Amino acid sequence: EVQLVESGGGLVQPGGSLRLSCAASGFTFSSYWMHWVRQAPGKGLEWVAKIKQDGSEKYYVDSVKGRFTISRDNAKNSLSLQMNSLRAEDTAVYYCARNWAFDYWGQGALVTVSS
Amino acid sequence: DVVMTQSPLSLPVTLGQPASLSCRSSQSLVHSDGNTYLNWIQQRPGQSPRRLIYKVSNRDSGVPDRFSGSGSGTDFTLKISRVEAEDVGVYYCMQGTHWPPHTFGQGTKLEIK
Repeated sequence: EVQLVESGGGLVQPGGSLRLSCAASGFTFSSYWMHWVRQAPGKGLEWVAKIKQDGSEKYYVDSVKGRFTISRDNAKNSLSLQMNSLRAEDTAVYYCARNWAFDYWGQGALVTVSS
Repeated sequence: DVVMTQSPLSLPVTLGQPASLSCRSSQSLVHSDGNTYLNWIQQRPGQSPRRLIYKVSNRDSGVPDRFSGSGSGTDFTLKISRVEAEDVGVYYCMQGTHWPPHTFGQGTKLEIK
């Protein structure tokens, strides 16, 4: 059974940093593109970043470029999102999702940016 | 960026009646490889998103056959033949043809009348 489990969410002050993780199981992690998608409270879904199977290609939505870094550790079946210079508008539930077609999603991790 | 526009934004439906959700893209979603990468995502209240339909009309495993997707180019439709209580939630279309970024529609909130 495919499982994606996010962790690392929490409350952080504006300008602070946080690192999210997504633990993958039930499939060959190294064979799939992986994504981060976020959802602000009461709002819709917004794609944030994606990373190729071997980590050689990474893409970001403009609003997080230069602040967020996506990475993966295929040996540990783990996806990460390092978030720096956080802003109030980054407050959201962050989901990891699998594959070019977003076929599996995790349960999400809540990030709250507030003083 | 490709803009995805859904309508209606709110859809009250009587149990057992059909529902039709529309999604339009600002440019054709036909990829150079010939595929059209348009997905439908369901998000029930308090739950994570779940993919229902991929590449316009392919139902995911476990998705009831009352759900069907259709369309081409820039116009797409998700139909529910007979709405059940468990279908309540928000439905998003999203495109995977022109990226970055991948883009989602605003969502259609389906509720029981």
